[in-house]
Amino acid sequence: DAGVTQSPTHLIKTRGQQVTLRCSPKSGHDTVSWYQQALGQGPQFIFQYYEEEERQRGNFPDRFSGHQFPNYSSELNVNALLLGDSALYLCASSLFQGFSPLHFGNGTRLTVT
Amino acid sequence: RKEVEQDPGPFNVPEGATVAFNCTYSNSASQSFFWYRQDCRKEPKLLMSVYSSGNEDGRFTAQLNRASQYISLLIRDSKLSDSATYLCVGPREGGGNKLTFGTGTQLKVEL
Repeated sequence: DAGVTQSPTHLIKTRGQQVTLRCSPKSGHDTVSWYQQALGQGPQFIFQYYEEEERQRGNFPDRFSGHQFPNYSSELNVNALLLGDSALYLCASSLFQGFSPLHFGNGTRLTVT
Repeated sequence: RKEVEQDPGPFNVPEGATVAFNCTYSNSASQSFFWYRQDCRKEPKLLMSVYSSGNEDGRFTAQLNRASQYISLLIRDSKLSDSATYLCVGPREGGGNKLTFGTGTQLKVEL
């Protein structure tokens, strides 16, 4: 039973560049949520995708966008990178219905220089 | 007020001790929560769910106090391997299957 997988594991970009992070959900899950975790902080909700649509969004600018594919996998895109975007980006999958716990991938550590 | 709040710690305890963390929440309608464990530079992993009846799993006990709007996590007979950050997770205000995380409580179990 494959868990949540994310790629890449590490990424270094420079300010102003664009980045795409990828996530495959746990088998049987239909919902993907993305979180940003800065050092010493809890994960901050970016957005959630279900049925290929963005269903909910946290307090993040439009530079952060995403997509969900028919196979439930998802991408997170960040444009015009800022130094402050450096963080661990976590993808979590779950079931849309009910109060379902999140299952996290290993994360992508993004460093913006 | 934040939706869920935790004491960041760190809590330094000797091996074998009993330690308890609390997490307060603002949404009085919330009835379900989760505790996650996060090791340094790793992803959070589900530790246990917390409903009105509480939950116990081995050395770990979680309870929900709706009157005072907090949940607790009790760890008995602490092990060195329990050293981690413990994240309290609850529903975001506005409903829907959307979760909000506390900042985490750091536990260090020492010899």
